[in-house]
Amino acid sequence: DTAVSQTPKYLVTQMGNDKSIKCEQNLGHDTMYWYKQDSKKFLKIMFSYNNKELIINETVPNRFSPKSPDKAHLNLHINSLELGDSAVYFCASSQAGTSTDTQYFGPGTRLTVL
Amino acid sequence: GESVGLHLPTLSVQEGDNSIINCAYSNSASDYFIWYKQESGKGPQFIIDIRSNMDKRQGQRVTVLLNKTVKHLSLQIAATQPGDSAVYFCADSGGGNKLTFGTGTQLKVEL
Repeated sequence: DTAVSQTPKYLVTQMGNDKSIKCEQNLGHDTMYWYKQDSKKFLKIMFSYNNKELIINETVPNRFSPKSPDKAHLNLHINSLELGDSAVYFCASSQAGTSTDTQYFGPGTRLTVL
Repeated sequence: GESVGLHLPTLSVQEGDNSIINCAYSNSASDYFIWYKQESGKGPQFIIDIRSNMDKRQGQRVTVLLNKTVKHLSLQIAATQPGDSAVYFCADSGGGNKLTFGTGTQLKVEL
């Protein structure tokens, strides 16, 4: 059973398009996150939601809009894709979102913008 | 600004040897540190954590050491195996609820 799952695993699209990445966790956790990992493996948080409420919103362009229909899902919608958006996007979840909670990561979605 | 960094981008070790991966942090408010392992094509996987009121914590074949005086963290892997080949990240909670990841160290295990 997959704890944190993401779809799709690979996404190739043209500049200017709009795309979505979906994330689901079956751990019963209250907090979910989106991270971006660049080509140098640098991993940086983008957003976090606790029980469908936005908690962390880093300096991410407003072309990125997270949506949490329920606490088990956190989707990421990206408008007007740019070349610089190419990266691997990871979803993660943790029990309560406190500083000492272990975060469990999904397998990642590799986004390539042409 | 505050940062979490690693001393070496790549570490090569012989199978069976011990590996030591180092990490420096600069946020003096940091009270919780985590090591993650990321294999190729997969997401980061939790290995071990340590709170700032400890200076050592052991797991199965792994030990994390924390030196708050010099703001240094290390991960020791005993009897390194080919399956240990991966990128290792340290992360720091900075006293808040947001993890800041280091740049990662690629561990290569040579047979």
